[in-house]
Amino acid sequence: NAGVTQTPKFRVLKTGQSMTLLCAQDMNHEYMYWYRQDPGMGLRLIHYSVGEGTTAKGEVPDGYNVSRLKKQNFLLGLESAAPSQTSVYFCASSYSRTGPNTGELFFGEGSRLTVL
Amino acid sequence: AQSVAQPEDQVNVAEGNPLTVKCTYSVSGNPYLFWYVQYPNRGLQFLLKYITGDNLVKGSYGFEAEFNKSQTSFHLKKPSALVSDSALYFCAAYSGYSTLTFGKGTMLLVSP
Repeated sequence: NAGVTQTPKFRVLKTGQSMTLLCAQDMNHEYMYWYRQDPGMGLRLIHYSVGEGTTAKGEVPDGYNVSRLKKQNFLLGLESAAPSQTSVYFCASSYSRTGPNTGELFFGEGSRLTVL
Repeated sequence: AQSVAQPEDQVNVAEGNPLTVKCTYSVSGNPYLFWYVQYPNRGLQFLLKYITGDNLVKGSYGFEAEFNKSQTSFHLKKPSALVSDSALYFCAAYSGYSTLTFGKGTMLLVSP
């Protein structure tokens, strides 16, 4: 049981380049999330999805796009990378907002992105 | 808007001593409160949560947390710290009608 898998784990980009981070979960979770983690800032929600085919903006969505074409996958795209997007990105998934598992997120190992 | 505050960037404690990591929250309505732990170069792991019921919640690895509604706090505690408890701890909250909001994290360092 792999849980939440993120690829790639490391990437270096030049300003203006584009890339996609892939998140895959094998727990049949409805909800999926993308966070970024920066020193002293904690985790900030970029975008999230409450089910296949749906996406919603989080706290810091600018400069990012997402897609959830399949229930198990949640893609995070950077169309034109900027140095301010240098960060560690975490994907997470959860069952739902209600029920006994409310709020229990399962996280991937993270993807470290550097934009030069 | 909901918010979570962790007033200490770092907590230092000697192995065997009790530890407390502080968290206060601001959530409309009844809060759902959580603690997560992050070990170096890893993703966050769920530790424990408070939804309703007993104010003292027990979680993984001997950790517990006390919900105090009047002080809007949810402090993480452990009676006897281990060196292996050294990690980054995040408090999180939401009202059930939004997404989870995380605090900025507190680094716990347990010395031998």
